[in-house]
Amino acid sequence: AQRVTQPEKLLSVFKGAPVELKCNYSYSGSPELFWYVQYSRQRLQLLLRHISRESIKGFTADLNKGETSFHLKKPFAQEEDSAMYYCALGANRDDKIIFGKGTRLHILP
Amino acid sequence: DAGVTQSPTHLIKTRGQQVTLRCSPKSGHDTVSWYQQALGQGPQFIFQYYEEEERQRGNFPDRFSGHQFPNYSSELNVNALLLGDSALYLCASSFQTGAAVAFFGQGTRLTVV
Repeated sequence: AQRVTQPEKLLSVFKGAPVELKCNYSYSGSPELFWYVQYSRQRLQLLLRHISRESIKGFTADLNKGETSFHLKKPFAQEEDSAMYYCALGANRDDKIIFGKGTRLHILP
Repeated sequence: DAGVTQSPTHLIKTRGQQVTLRCSPKSGHDTVSWYQQALGQGPQFIFQYYEEEERQRGNFPDRFSGHQFPNYSSELNVNALLLGDSALYLCASSFQTGAAVAFFGQGTRLTVV
């Protein structure tokens, strides 16, 4: 079964500290993995995708097929990073998105 | 480009009634997907429309139906509303070859009383 698991509902991190949001997935083939973010009072938006291998707003995520993980990382947290983060899986290029339950990241001053 | 727009933004319905939600995709996008997001949960896939046909469907009952028009806009219809249908309904648009890279609307908050 296709599934995305985000074990933390809430993650509080001090400003300037490193951030790691955990994501594990279950899929038998080769999925495409994404992180979507929702800032306060804004719509859900794509943050990054694993095939792009790029850094967006200082965030990176590496797909680890052996551990079936796609953790989101940032070396130094900023207050504007406070938001709801969803890990997501797309099984094929024309496929639906399967979302995790989300992790609320709270950056402490 | 206004991006993905949904209407209405909020809606209150009585149990047993029917509701229609509307979505206009981002300019150039040909695929519309609908998601239900219950409180404290991630969005759950309802169905996807492409070329005016339902291409994929999630684990939702037949009370949930939809339509896509020639201009790619879409409607989500829910019949015989239940209290449990109260949720935020999100519309997402994309290109068919890349549907997992989606642009989302602001959502319609449906409350069933």
